[in-house]
Amino acid sequence: EPEVTQTPSHQVTQMGQEVILRCVPISNHLYFYWYRQILGQKVEFLVSFYNNEISEKSEIFDDQFSVERPDGSNFTLKIRSTKLEDSAMYFCASSPEYEQFFGPGTRLTVL
Amino acid sequence: SQQGEEDPQALSIQEGENATMNCSYKTSINNLQWYRQNSGRGLVHLILIRSNEREKHSGRLRVTLDTSKKSSSLLITASRAADTASYFCAAVSYNQGGKLIFGQGTELSVKP
Repeated sequence: EPEVTQTPSHQVTQMGQEVILRCVPISNHLYFYWYRQILGQKVEFLVSFYNNEISEKSEIFDDQFSVERPDGSNFTLKIRSTKLEDSAMYFCASSPEYEQFFGPGTRLTVL
Repeated sequence: SQQGEEDPQALSIQEGENATMNCSYKTSINNLQWYRQNSGRGLVHLILIRSNEREKHSGRLRVTLDTSKKSSSLLITASRAADTASYFCAAVSYNQGGKLIFGQGTELSVKP
């Protein structure tokens, strides 16, 4: 059964460094999302992407964040200058229409 | 506005018992989805109920939706130890772009 994959599973970085989190959505899906979950808190929406552009973004998704679909398969989330408070699990999701299918997540630790 | 607030926050039951989790939301929705998350892992989609549906079944899962009360419930029948996880409801409004708005979740513990 096709599934969403994410790499790396765990990323440790120094504050101020750039990180790129990678996702491979399910191949025939049209809608792509990034969410994050700070430890012990609820899952929060970051951004949605459709037809090669951002369709919606949350207040969290400020100028430090960007997304890209550089080819037909990958979907990336870049954080330009990481802060301590960016430490969280980051989930990618893709959807053919209504149901969203999540990847296993990348645990980002900012030191 | 907040969507998808679950209660109880934690629920502990014995294997074989039924588990009921409730969810409330504040604005109009197009559908409501339930997800499961094992500790430190990804989210697994369980079931979707559309705003024009009142009840839906999938295996041991039963979901109800009451749009007049803006609430939903998830019932897991004949629970198993493997059902131990956090359960989240997520509301979807297409006028909010189709994103999932999650609640805090219910932590279910099923004791063997």
